[in-house]
Amino acid sequence: GAVVSQHPSWVICKSGTSVKIECRSLDFQATTMFWYRQFPKQSLMLMATSNEGSKATYEQGVEKDKFLINHASLTLSTLTVTSAHPEDSSFYICSTLGGGGGETQYFGPGTRLLVL
Amino acid sequence: DQQVKQNSPSLSVQEGRISILNCDYTNSMFDYFLWYKKYPAEGPTFLISISSIKDKNEDGRFTVFLNKSAKHLSLHIVPSQPGDSAVYFCAASARNSGYALNFGKGTSLLVTP
Repeated sequence: GAVVSQHPSWVICKSGTSVKIECRSLDFQATTMFWYRQFPKQSLMLMATSNEGSKATYEQGVEKDKFLINHASLTLSTLTVTSAHPEDSSFYICSTLGGGGGETQYFGPGTRLLVL
Repeated sequence: DQQVKQNSPSLSVQEGRISILNCDYTNSMFDYFLWYKKYPAEGPTFLISISSIKDKNEDGRFTVFLNKSAKHLSLHIVPSQPGDSAVYFCAASARNSGYALNFGKGTSLLVTP
């Protein structure tokens, strides 16, 4: 399967600051990446679909101006949480579809965000 | 609206026995189903998948069964090992939605020696 990395793995920030999370596809070129988040003891919820060279597609209820997604290359997608608030504290995970047109998604290790 | 449901939040099984994890879905457009294993503060690890054109897929100790008429799938692990202890997520996707995943809430499996 695809190998996906995320950076940072853990971030603590003050309320009102912006945080950027990077997601990299290490072993193949990913035209599509997905961003999910998971609150404690809950399921993973899709936030947005990131498409290389075009605008991201956001799920209902996810503010596109608050969660900025940039997919500028075939190996890198970034999620920026702007003006973070404590309620944004969560576990953010990215994924890519497997290479060769496969339908399986492979996930990064996740980023734990804590907003004080 | 939870389109994928895992109604058992936890399951405890003795080592060597079979673990059966269940999953139900409501959206008939789903055509691809996956199982992931997850540890706290880590990303999900892909285990096994099945296309809607099949009713069974096997990979080593893991077998996934799909009953389309009942909108039900299950993951069988046999024999269960202590290292299988983790949270297992069922997920479903549809080709016409770009294969974005809809997850269940997970089942925490504990395999005891």
